[in-house]
Amino acid sequence: RKEVEQDPGPFNVPEGATVAFNCTYSNSASQSFFWYRQDCRKEPKLLMSVYSSGNEDGRFTAQLNRASQYISLLIRDSKLSDSATYLCVPQDTGRRALTFGSGTRLQVQP
Amino acid sequence: DTGVSQDPRHKITKRGQNVTFRCDPISEHNRLYWYRQTLGQGPEFLTYFQNEAQLEKSRLLSDRFSAERPKGSFSTLEIQRTEQGDSAMYLCASSFLAGGGGEQYFGPGTRLTVT
Repeated sequence: RKEVEQDPGPFNVPEGATVAFNCTYSNSASQSFFWYRQDCRKEPKLLMSVYSSGNEDGRFTAQLNRASQYISLLIRDSKLSDSATYLCVPQDTGRRALTFGSGTRLQVQP
Repeated sequence: DTGVSQDPRHKITKRGQNVTFRCDPISEHNRLYWYRQTLGQGPEFLTYFQNEAQLEKSRLLSDRFSAERPKGSFSTLEIQRTEQGDSAMYLCASSFLAGGGGEQYFGPGTRLTVT
């Protein structure tokens, strides 16, 4: 089983839609979680950090379910500029290295 | 620009040649990381430094790869005797030790093509 599993997509949604991505992780020692977005051929950019049960930042909401070992990202009122790949990243507190999923690709259409 | 910088941004080399990449972290960050990313995959961890000490190396870091951070500021990643399988984006990231979480901030990457 992969350490981090994400649906690769693509998720094709119209502008203004709400879309949610799920991510499951296998390492129960993961304590910190991050969502990064990555545009084509660019570096990953930190979108959100999750240390407790969830986090909200504007149109973006992350929810963490430690018992089931999954984390979700909800994007409300999708914009064209949200089109990107979203990478789920759990972090084991015993390690500094980040373990990235392969990402979920989102395409927001006009 | 006070973000992470990497040089060069692109490198094309012939198989068997040596290449060296440089990373300058965000100035107050004392942790520096190297990752490698291939098409369709997320970044994979290679190694990390806390100040000048190299504290962890991935099994992906074969004997042909070496990284240094001699003064605890910039870092270099060298690949000797490059192979076609080394073609990838090499990403550098940095983070701050004290306070906050483990957020890592990435540079623009060096795209390596081995012909």
